[in-house]
Amino acid sequence: DQQVKQNSPSLSVQEGRISILNCDYTNSMFDYFLWYKKYPAEGPTFLISISSIKDKNEDGRFTVFLNKSAKHLSLHIVPSQPGDSAVYFCAASARAGGTSYGKLTFGQGTILTVHP
Amino acid sequence: EAGVAQSPRYKIIEKRQSVAFWCNPISGHATLYWYQQILGQGPKLLIQFQNNGVVDDSQLPKDRFSAERLKGVDSTLKIQPAKLEDSAVYLCASSLDSGQGQPQHFGDGTRLSIL
Repeated sequence: DQQVKQNSPSLSVQEGRISILNCDYTNSMFDYFLWYKKYPAEGPTFLISISSIKDKNEDGRFTVFLNKSAKHLSLHIVPSQPGDSAVYFCAASARAGGTSYGKLTFGQGTILTVHP
Repeated sequence: EAGVAQSPRYKIIEKRQSVAFWCNPISGHATLYWYQQILGQGPKLLIQFQNNGVVDDSQLPKDRFSAERLKGVDSTLKIQPAKLEDSAVYLCASSLDSGQGQPQHFGDGTRLSIL
C-alpha cells in the first residue's frame, strides 16, 4: 500500500522557469512533510519541510504548499537552475504516540531536469 | 561537521551468501536509521535505533536481516542468506533525536548487487 505517491516520474523545465513537483498521501495521520533532493550516487539531502498546522513554507527559491483537505502537497522552485536537476522525494511522518515518531514514509521520487 | 559515513560503497555477492554494511553517524546523533532503496522506488525504513535500543523494526525481514548498534554509535546491518530481491542501495541516516523537526542526514549508501 503506497501511502505517499509521486505520480510524475519525471519533469523537464527550462532554466529560469518554475518547477512544480507534486505529492499525494493517503494516511490522514501524517502531519509533517519533507522534501529531499538526491543526486546520483549520493544520499538524499534535506531540502524543506512543513507541519500540518501551516499551508505554506518558504526558503529562498523553494516553497512547499500543503492542502490537507486534498491530502496533497507541492514543491515550487523559482527560478529553476540547471543545478536543481536531481531526483526529488516527498516524505511524510505521523506524530502517533509510541515508537514511530521519526519514521518517514517516502514517495517514489520525481526526476527533475532543468535545461539551460 | 563530518557527515554520515558508510562502507563499503559497492558490494557484489552471490545469492545465499552473507554480507554486512557499516555506518558511522554524525557525532552526537542519538537516532540512527537503515533504509533499503530498490531501483525506481523511494527509501523504505528497515530499522530505527534510539541510542543502542531498537525503536522500530517492523519492516525488517528478521529471518535474514539483522542490525545492531553497540555502544549507541556505529551500526552494522547484516543479510544472511542474501536473495536476489535484496539487490538495492542500503542507506544509513542519523538525526539528533527522533523528533519530527529533526531532519535526517543520509550517507551515500552501499549499492548491493546479488548475482
